[in-house]
Amino acid sequence: EAGVAQSPRYKIIEKRQSVAFWCNPISGHATLYWYQQILGQGPKLLIQFQNNGVVDDSQLPKDRFSAERLKGVDSTLKIQPAKLEDSAVYLCASSLERGGGASPLHFGNGTRLTVT
Amino acid sequence: AQSVTQLGSHVSVSEGALVLLRCNYSSSVPPYLFWYVQYPNQGLQLLLKYTTGATLVKGINGFEAEFKKSETSFHLTKPSAHMSDAAEYFCAVSPMDSSYKLIFGSGTRLLVRP
Repeated sequence: EAGVAQSPRYKIIEKRQSVAFWCNPISGHATLYWYQQILGQGPKLLIQFQNNGVVDDSQLPKDRFSAERLKGVDSTLKIQPAKLEDSAVYLCASSLERGGGASPLHFGNGTRLTVT
Repeated sequence: AQSVTQLGSHVSVSEGALVLLRCNYSSSVPPYLFWYVQYPNQGLQLLLKYTTGATLVKGINGFEAEFKKSETSFHLTKPSAHMSDAAEYFCAVSPMDSSYKLIFGSGTRLLVRP
């Protein structure tokens, strides 16, 4: 089966600019996650979708970050305006059901964002 | 709140030596437990998981982990390290509630010396 696809792989922007990341999950996976991985740290959950509804966005900085999952398939994560501390790898993952237990997460290769 | 502690941000072993990566969690109720591996410039790949049943869990690439409730630990081991095992390893927990949130530790980078 095809894996989780993410684009772009790399992005360099200046602070205060905006940026968007795209994710296409594994076909049939109902749950989609966006994680932020800062260098030297473990991934931190930003937002979790179940189909096209938000399950958890408690750690999403909503003043600058937004995400949507139209039609319960692809998802876009946007940052506007970007700050230096947003430099990180943004990982998208999907699972067949609300994962963690019986339904493992499948991760994409991530988008490395550098904010200068 | 649940948390995960991985002791040692870097672990260095010789090829053929035992690999031991430590993971402790804090939770009043034993959660689901996972180990993921991340190779450079790639996403995370599931190595193994513990949900219920046998406390010794075998995963891919010869890795295994043992859930010890009394020690709140889930250490990852491999009898003989291979050069290809060099990567970053993350322990993660998921509470046994409806959130299914996956909480990661800070990771341990495994270096394998020839």
